[in-house]
Amino acid sequence: AQKVTQAQTEISVVEKEDVTLDCVYETRDTTYYLFWYKQPPSGELVFLIRRNSFDEQNEISGRYSWNFQKSTSSFNFTITASQVVDSAVYFCALRFYGGSQGNLIFGKGTKLSVKP
Amino acid sequence: DGGITQSPKYLFRKEGQNVTLSCEQNLNHDAMYWYRQDPGQGLRLIYYSQIVNDFQKGDIAEGYSVSREKKESFPLTVTSAQKNPTAFYLCASSITHLPDRTETQYFGPGTRLLVL
Repeated sequence: AQKVTQAQTEISVVEKEDVTLDCVYETRDTTYYLFWYKQPPSGELVFLIRRNSFDEQNEISGRYSWNFQKSTSSFNFTITASQVVDSAVYFCALRFYGGSQGNLIFGKGTKLSVKP
Repeated sequence: DGGITQSPKYLFRKEGQNVTLSCEQNLNHDAMYWYRQDPGQGLRLIYYSQIVNDFQKGDIAEGYSVSREKKESFPLTVTSAQKNPTAFYLCASSITHLPDRTETQYFGPGTRLLVL
């Protein structure tokens, strides 16, 4: 079965703190793709990153970084020096190779609140 | 500007009424998708279309219908058969990455449907 688990339902931090959002996935496929999306209060999902299963390099983009570990089936997302504008719901998603197009499996999301 | 537009932002439905949600994209993407989001939940796929005049059911298609007469447009009709239509509806379109032919989905701003 394909599944994405975001165990943290809500996280609250104070501005400038670092915060890590956890994502654990289940798949039997050897080729798959992982995504993170941000959903601010306005509602639109904003694409943040796409990573394929062959590429375990960590990625850094400004204050954002992602840690992909196949050994633990995790694709965690860290925000360094959080800001109020980071407040949003963050979704992790899985797409397995060879599945019908459209088969993007989402976790239930983690709501991040960054307080000034 | 290139992007995905959804209208209206808010929609009210009376009992027994069919309503249609609009989704338009000018990104020249081949594939388009409709998702439903309930409070505290991830996204669930309603329908998707890979090319014009073709579409497939997602996980929760019952009570919904779609059409894809033009590449740019993928309207969703919520029929009276959908007994619990109150939700946030998100439209997406996707670009295909080569050579692995997987895709990244980009989302519109959403339509919030409420039942009177």
